[in-house]
Amino acid sequence: LAKTTQPISMDSYEGQEVNITCSHNNIATNDYITWYQQFPSQGPRFIIQGYKTKVTNEVASLFIPADRKSSTLSLPRVSLSDTAVYYCLVGDAYTDKLIFGTGTRLQVFP
Amino acid sequence: NAGVTQTPKFRILKIGQSMTLQCTQDMNHNYMYWYRQDPGMGLKLIYYSVGAGITDKGEVPNGYNVSRSTTEDFPLRLELAAPSQTSVYFCASSRLAGADNEQFFGPGTRLTVL
Repeated sequence: LAKTTQPISMDSYEGQEVNITCSHNNIATNDYITWYQQFPSQGPRFIIQGYKTKVTNEVASLFIPADRKSSTLSLPRVSLSDTAVYYCLVGDAYTDKLIFGTGTRLQVFP
Repeated sequence: NAGVTQTPKFRILKIGQSMTLQCTQDMNHNYMYWYRQDPGMGLKLIYYSVGAGITDKGEVPNGYNVSRSTTEDFPLRLELAAPSQTSVYFCASSRLAGADNEQFFGPGTRLTVL
């Protein structure tokens, strides 16, 4: 399973756009990129998943360049409630397993 | 739907004691997982199951056992608890594996071994 690298922490202010980049240099052809969000004392929650180019849902956008060696989670106009840890995961299309790294701790200030 | 439920929410064990963490899902998911999360760290996969009667080891299976007799339930057994097993335990389930394997997590069980 490909290893991911992401910043340990990020700070932002309410209303700003936040971009969290994840590196996955050893991503394989069959691998998908998935992002989860975790609030304190709760289990992680699925945010978005993609294979290439751009994916957008009601919560976030995911940008994946052509070489797929990195991906960027974009959170538009964050609020205080977006303060959480964000995990980038890379998983084989046929595997049952997810490997979580240490994630990026996002702090949003008023 | 209640989703994924876990009991108990909190537990304190003495070294050497045993206990079972319960996990139930009502989404008819085939895939179920147990993770542990140490303070400030990501989740580590302990065991997983792809269906009733089928289980397999994850990254950190030592000191734990699982069973999957029904689709709904996936209990995690700790035998001879050790301080290193102090952690928060999350159970999760998913309908599919691989690319469509969005996992739904329970609220967690906070375990302390003294």
